[in-house]
Amino acid sequence: EDQVTQSPEALRLQEGESSSLNCSYTVSGLRGLFWYRQDPGKGPEFLFTLYSAGEEKEKERLKATLTKKESFLHITAPKPEDSATYLCAVRSYNQGGKLIFGQGTELSVKP
Amino acid sequence: DGGITQSPKYLFRKEGQNVTLSCEQNLNHDAMYWYRQDPGQGLRLIYYSQIVNDFQKGDIAEGYSVSREKKESFPLTVTSAQKNPTAFYLCASSMGTRRGGSYNEQFFGPGTRLTVL
Repeated sequence: EDQVTQSPEALRLQEGESSSLNCSYTVSGLRGLFWYRQDPGKGPEFLFTLYSAGEEKEKERLKATLTKKESFLHITAPKPEDSATYLCAVRSYNQGGKLIFGQGTELSVKP
Repeated sequence: DGGITQSPKYLFRKEGQNVTLSCEQNLNHDAMYWYRQDPGQGLRLIYYSQIVNDFQKGDIAEGYSVSREKKESFPLTVTSAQKNPTAFYLCASSMGTRRGGSYNEQFFGPGTRLTVL
């Protein structure tokens, strides 16, 4: 069964304190791993897609990496405006166009 | 501006009522999706449609119905058979599902919060 697990559930950082969020996955043939940012009461905002192990994508203070079993979202020198819930999702060969989401990591960055 | 719109933003349902949530997109996307989000849980797929006049059940379709008469529109009806409808409902769209690359990414609307009175 395809599964996605994110850790930690919640993360509190001081402004400027770099850290990483983890997304572990079990799928029968990965067709894409997706990162989203979600602010309270709003729809998820697309951040990155990764397709193969070793691939990396960057956007401002965020960098996503991918291995055969997990993905990391690295946050460098975070600011309070980076506070949000970060969602990871995967698409597998078994699931067609469907995405399987993890439960998310709630990030709080204090000034 | 291209994007996905959902209405209403807040919706209240009485016991035994059917309610319909609207989702419209002007991105010229072929595929559309409905998700439900509950506190502490990941997004769960209710229904999806890869092409006009065709749709498939997701993981939690019981108590819900959809239609796809136009490419731009994918309304979701929450029926009285759905016993726990209070949740945040999200609509998404993507270019397609038959090819890889950027066709995979799903883009989300702002959501509708449904509360049962």
